Amino acid sequence: EAGVTQFPSHSVIEKGQTVTLRCDPISGHDNLYWYRRVMGKEIKFLLHFVKESKQDESGMPNNRFLAERTGGTYSTLKVQPAELEDSGVYFCASSRGLNNEQFFGPGTRLTVL
Amino acid sequence: GENVEQHPSTLSVQEGDSAVIKCTYSDSASNYFPWYKQELGKRPQLIIDIRSNVGEKKDQRIAVTLNKTAKHFSLHITETQPEDSAVYFCAESGSARQLTFGSGTQLTVLP
Repeated sequence: EAGVTQFPSHSVIEKGQTVTLRCDPISGHDNLYWYRRVMGKEIKFLLHFVKESKQDESGMPNNRFLAERTGGTYSTLKVQPAELEDSGVYFCASSRGLNNEQFFGPGTRLTVL
Repeated sequence: GENVEQHPSTLSVQEGDSAVIKCTYSDSASNYFPWYKQELGKRPQLIIDIRSNVGEKKDQRIAVTLNKTAKHFSLHITETQPEDSAVYFCAESGSARQLTFGSGTQLTVLP
């Protein structure tokens, strides 16, 4: 089966600009997660969708981050306006059920200058 | 909140030797403990996981042990090979199902 895909692989933007990251989960996976790794630290949870509904968004750092999953398929994560501390690698993961393995995408490396 | 401590942050071993990475967690409700391997420029991939109802699990050269009383779990790689070189992340989750990760261990296997 095709794995989790993310677009773009890299994004370089200036402070104050807007960036939208996209994640396509594995077909049939209802659960979709966003994580990010900042400056070589641990991978941190951002939010969790079950189909199109936000199950848990406790990890979202502030209201500059907006995630959507219209139709319960792909998801987007928008950062507006971007700040320097938003730089990092943003991972998406999906799983079939809550008790199943989470499969990760290759990540989007975001650099905010 | 939940916290996972992972040690060491870097580990170098000679090819053929064993490598051990240790993690401790704080949430007593945690019941799922996966280990992910991330090779340079690639995505994190699950290599082994363990649930709280068992104390040890083995898959070829890789094994994981879990001590729920002490709240720690470990990854053991035997007969290491150069292709084992990567960053390894431990993680835990409970009923919320989101994963809480350790900070990662850069393993280098020297030929």
